Amino acid sequence: RKEVEQDPGPFNVPEGATVAFNCTYSNSASQSFFWYRQDCRKEPKLLMSVYSSGNEDGRFTAQLNRASQYISLLIRDSKLSDSATYLCAVYTGGFKTIFGAGTRLFVKA
Amino acid sequence: EAGVAQSPRYKIIEKRQSVAFWCNPISGHATLYWYQQILGQGPKLLIQFQNNGVVDDSQLPKDRFSAERLKGVDSTLKIQPAKLEDSAVYLCASSATTYNQPQHFGDGTRLSIL
Repeated sequence: RKEVEQDPGPFNVPEGATVAFNCTYSNSASQSFFWYRQDCRKEPKLLMSVYSSGNEDGRFTAQLNRASQYISLLIRDSKLSDSATYLCAVYTGGFKTIFGAGTRLFVKA
Repeated sequence: EAGVAQSPRYKIIEKRQSVAFWCNPISGHATLYWYQQILGQGPKLLIQFQNNGVVDDSQLPKDRFSAERLKGVDSTLKIQPAKLEDSAVYLCASSATTYNQPQHFGDGTRLSIL
């Protein structure tokens, strides 16, 4: 089993839809969690950190479920500009952060 | 603040040649990372520095890859000799510390091996 796993997708959704991605991790001692966005042929950029209590930034909501060992990202009212690959990153401790392979999202008009 | 700077942006070499990449992290960031990202995959950590010391190089192919971070600031990653499977984007990232901090990435170097 991979340490961090994501559904590669692609998720194809119409504008205005709500879409959610999950990212599972195997190390129960993992301490910090992040979502990054990566546009085609660009570098990953931090989208948001994931806090234990869950957090929201505009149309984006991140949740952590420690019992089931996954984090989620919910995007409401999808825009064309949300089309990208969404990478999760998990800090497992011991100086180690592991990235998932990413979930591809296509938002269509 | 200025972001992570990398050069070159693109590099094309033939197999068995050598190549070097340069990275200057965000000022004051103690931790510097080099990643390899192959198309369709997530970034794979090659080496991680805390100041000028190596924290993790477990996935660095040490027979051909080397990296240094002199004076705890900028860093170079070298491949010698290059193989076809080294074709990838090489990303440099930095973070304020190793703990619980997000990473900030440079634009990357797109390497093609012929």
